[in-house]
Amino acid sequence: SQQGEEDPQALSIQEGENATMNCSYKTSINNLQWYRQNSGRGLVHLILIRSNEREKHSGRLRVTLDTSKKSSSLLITASRAADTASYFCATDAIGNQFYFGTGTSLTVIP
Amino acid sequence: GAGVSQSPSNKVTEKGKDVELRCDPISGHTALYWYRQSLGQGLEFLIYFQGNSAPDKSGLPSDRFSAERTGGSVSTLTIQRTQQEDSAVYLCASSLVVNSNQPQHFGDGTRLSIL
Repeated sequence: SQQGEEDPQALSIQEGENATMNCSYKTSINNLQWYRQNSGRGLVHLILIRSNEREKHSGRLRVTLDTSKKSSSLLITASRAADTASYFCATDAIGNQFYFGTGTSLTVIP
Repeated sequence: GAGVSQSPSNKVTEKGKDVELRCDPISGHTALYWYRQSLGQGLEFLIYFQGNSAPDKSGLPSDRFSAERTGGSVSTLTIQRTQQEDSAVYLCASSLVVNSNQPQHFGDGTRLSIL
């Protein structure tokens, strides 16, 4: 299966701390995306990183990609209570399907 | 509204009944995806449509599931003879085109409960 796997499954931190979550996948990709899902809502796109990129920033988000290890990480700096959500990575595959991992549930304690 | 709209937001039905779930994508988006998300799980791909091309149905779990997209816009996912294991949140997403370099825009889903 191409499905990405996020690690850890759950993460609880204090407001102001940094949160790091990881995604591993099994076969070569062209692009990898990260999404956020608040409880009871749909997913919201956060950032896309291409296979020829190693790092990308967007506001308080930093994404890295290591194609040799088939892994990506999402770092949220200076976390806020509003960052509490589940975070998913999505990888592409043959046939234009997207594979989503099982997600990391992040709780930011005020 | 400018986002993806799904209806109903919640649906409770008895086992064996048929259900129809509706998705109204963002105007101008040619790609439309359906996913299923079981409690605490990731997203399971079901089907996608790209413009007027034949849909990729490879993710549909059984022949009880079908979907159509009329006029390249609104899509309906139909589940016939529902089973309890069909209980899940069904999410719809759209993007400009089917390409992994395009972000997907999601609706808030339909929470389906089969009694």
